Amino acid sequence: NAGVTQTPKFRVLKTGQSMTLLCAQDMNHEYMYWYRQDPGMGLRLIHYSVGEGTTAKGEVPDGYNVSRLKKQNFLLGLESAAPSQTSVYFCASRRSGSEETQYFGPGTRLLVL
Amino acid sequence: RKEVEQDPGPFNVPEGATVAFNCTYSNSASQSFFWYRQDCRKEPKLLMSVYSSGNEDGRFTAQLNRASQYISLLIRDSKLSDSATYLCVVTPSSGTYKYIFGTGTRLKVLA
Repeated sequence: NAGVTQTPKFRVLKTGQSMTLLCAQDMNHEYMYWYRQDPGMGLRLIHYSVGEGTTAKGEVPDGYNVSRLKKQNFLLGLESAAPSQTSVYFCASRRSGSEETQYFGPGTRLLVL
Repeated sequence: RKEVEQDPGPFNVPEGATVAFNCTYSNSASQSFFWYRQDCRKEPKLLMSVYSSGNEDGRFTAQLNRASQYISLLIRDSKLSDSATYLCVVTPSSGTYKYIFGTGTRLKVLA
């Protein structure tokens, strides 16, 4: 099993450009999450999904959109990148159940100039 | 008040020392508790879940104090490889899908 994978690993964008980050998991998990991590801020939830075809807003959703057309994939889109979106983005997934572990992907480092 | 609070550290300890971290949470209805470990520029990984009765895994012991609303992590016989950031994670209440992450406590084990 590959677990949770993310592509790309690193990307540089110019302000105003768009891009999509891909998260894929092969563990048949129901729940998937997108976080961003900034120095001193900890992990902040952007959007999450509790099943195929469903998405919901997290703590910091502005400027991002998501889609979960297939159970194993969770896409994070930036329509018009801003320097404030420079961050490390982590995807995570887990089974349903309140005590289930979240498994994280290796992260995507995004720099917006 | 933040939902989950941790001392950012760094905690600098010599090899072989015992070190303990605490994490406080604000929601008394919080259901599940975890400690994750994050190495520099890597993804967080589960270290251990924290149960009401406490739990131990080798050199690591986790405790939950619901009355005072904190969890703790004790590391005995610290190794150089224990150097990392330790994240406290809480699920706010039953039926929620969200996990709340603390900002982490940084540990440096010195030779």
